[in-house]
Amino acid sequence: EDKVVQSPLSLVVHEGDTVTLNCSYEVTNFRSLLWYKQEKKAPTFLFMLTSSGIEKKSGRLSSILDKKELFSILNITATQTGDSAVYLCAVGYYNTDKLIFGTGTRLQVFP
Amino acid sequence: EAGVAQSPRYKIIEKRQSVAFWCNPISGHATLYWYQQILGQGPKLLIQFQNNGVVDDSQLPKDRFSAERLKGVDSTLKIQPAKLEDSAVYLCASSLVGGTITDTQYFGPGTRLTVL
Repeated sequence: EDKVVQSPLSLVVHEGDTVTLNCSYEVTNFRSLLWYKQEKKAPTFLFMLTSSGIEKKSGRLSSILDKKELFSILNITATQTGDSAVYLCAVGYYNTDKLIFGTGTRLQVFP
Repeated sequence: EAGVAQSPRYKIIEKRQSVAFWCNPISGHATLYWYQQILGQGPKLLIQFQNNGVVDDSQLPKDRFSAERLKGVDSTLKIQPAKLEDSAVYLCASSLVGGTITDTQYFGPGTRLTVL
């Protein structure tokens, strides 16, 4: 059965800390890995990764994919309270638009 | 560009009652998705439409859930009758074309359903 596993489930840090969120997957017919940020209800898109070893970066957030070891990490540097959210990892398949999501990592950033 | 619209934002019903949710995707987006997100879990796809046709409804509990997208634009998701385990946030998402490697799903604010 295909699955996406995220760790840790929950993380509490102080502003300014750097965090690393992990996502591993076992999926047949892998096409892409996506990261979303979910603050209240609507997940908002962060990154889509399709190639191994190529870092994607947006401000203080960056992500990289390892297709050999079947995992991805999301890094957030110099965290701010506004980074507090659930971060969802999802995997997409070839020949379909279906996404399978992990359970998410809940990040809480305190001042 | 306006985002994905959903209504209502919250709904509380008793078990065995019926409920309907509405979604209006981003203008021009051909593909529409309904997800169920139970507390503490990631979203789970219920049904996917491409224009007004169903692409994937393999995880839709068809004995009680139904969905339609008659004109290929907005969509409704219905639950009849509701069970306690249907309590969740129902998310609607849309994407421009679907099936392309660069396509991204954009999510609406969701409807939080509580079944008592």
